[in-house]
Amino acid sequence: AQSVTQLGSHVSVSEGALVLLRCNYSSSVPPYLFWYVQYPNQGLQLLLKYTSAATLVKGINGFEAEFKKSETSFHLTKPSAHMSDAAEYFCAVRGQGAQKLVFGQGTRLTINP
Amino acid sequence: GAVVSQHPSWVICKSGTSVKIECRSLDFQATTMFWYRQFPKQSLMLMATSNEGSKATYEQGVEKDKFLINHASLTLSTLTVTSAHPEDSSFYICSARYLAFSYNEQFFGPGTRLTVL
Repeated sequence: AQSVTQLGSHVSVSEGALVLLRCNYSSSVPPYLFWYVQYPNQGLQLLLKYTSAATLVKGINGFEAEFKKSETSFHLTKPSAHMSDAAEYFCAVRGQGAQKLVFGQGTRLTINP
Repeated sequence: GAVVSQHPSWVICKSGTSVKIECRSLDFQATTMFWYRQFPKQSLMLMATSNEGSKATYEQGVEKDKFLINHASLTLSTLTVTSAHPEDSSFYICSARYLAFSYNEQFFGPGTRLTVL
């Protein structure tokens, strides 16, 4: 069965600083991995996804993530934080052939001016 | 990208009444729809998966008679919360998927906030 662990329920960075949100997964087969962003009182928007092609995945809004099989990680990064990046971020995994997405607990990103 | 809408975006109802939430895929045919529940500051909890024309598959611990799901067409799924009580107050999010999409990607609706008084 797949599972996802997001380290850190709350991350706070200064505007212009590096953003690093951590995600580790557990899966018996190579999974599909996703990062979603949720703004208050809204649904989820896909930032990026890993589907066994390139291990470095570029997404929207300047975010990217690197799939590291040896570390079972899929951490999300952005070189320079912007105030508009403040939101809740969810990492999710789905096994190949599986229907369901399994979400991590979420990480709230706060940007300090 | 594909668009999923939900209606209403928020609803307030009295305890004991039933509430229906609609989820529509606007520009694609959703072969599968998912319903999630999200409590404040928590992650999404999958409630059920529905395939068009079939009965929904509920997750363990979700009451089928309490949360009625209907997926009558390829563009519409409904969630009815029957005899709602204050503990049913939550943020409900649907998502939809079309098998021909790349890697079966899911698209999420904007959510419906239910408050039961």
